[in-house]
Amino acid sequence: AQKITQTQPGMFVQEKEAVTLDCTYDTSDQSYGLFWYKQPSSGEMIFLIYQGSYDEQNATEGRYSLNFQKARKSANLVISASQLGDSAMYFCAMREGRRSSASKIIFGSGTRLSIRP
Amino acid sequence: GAVVSQHPSWVICKSGTSVKIECRSLDFQATTMFWYRQFPKQSLMLMATSNEGSKATYEQGVEKDKFLINHASLTLSTLTVTSAHPEDSSFYICSARRGVSSTEAFFGQGTRLTVV
Repeated sequence: AQKITQTQPGMFVQEKEAVTLDCTYDTSDQSYGLFWYKQPSSGEMIFLIYQGSYDEQNATEGRYSLNFQKARKSANLVISASQLGDSAMYFCAMREGRRSSASKIIFGSGTRLSIRP
Repeated sequence: GAVVSQHPSWVICKSGTSVKIECRSLDFQATTMFWYRQFPKQSLMLMATSNEGSKATYEQGVEKDKFLINHASLTLSTLTVTSAHPEDSSFYICSARRGVSSTEAFFGQGTRLTVV
């Protein structure tokens, strides 16, 4: 069975500081994908970054980077130079199995990030 | 970019009535769509996988007769909450991916259902 674990229910960070949101996963599949989504209070799910299990380099998207440690089964999200608008819920998610439009994505419990001015 | 549109964004209904939620892919065809449910301050729980032209695949513990899913076209999936009760009040959100090679899953805006 697959599982996504986010151990930080909430985090407070000072504006402009970097923050790392933890995510560990468990799967028996060799091929899988890892996602991070941001959910502001409006409820929409905003895609941030994706890492494939066979990708050798860590994914980066602007201020977001994914620290992928395959042996440890961790996929931490790093946000550099945090901004007030980064305050939201952040979900780590995993696609099971090979890349397919039909493959399911399961979510972790989320981390609520609050940025202090 | 690809957009998934969900309607309505919120709905209040009386206990015992049925509510239909629509999920449309606006600029791509989606043979598969996914329906999630999210209780306040909780994660998204996958309810079912909606397959165009065939029956939906439900996750364990999700009542098929309670949550009817219809995926009649490549751009539209509907979720009907039948005989709604207050415990069905939740945030329902759909998702779709553009194609086989797409890594990103696009989400609708979500529907907040309140059953009174």
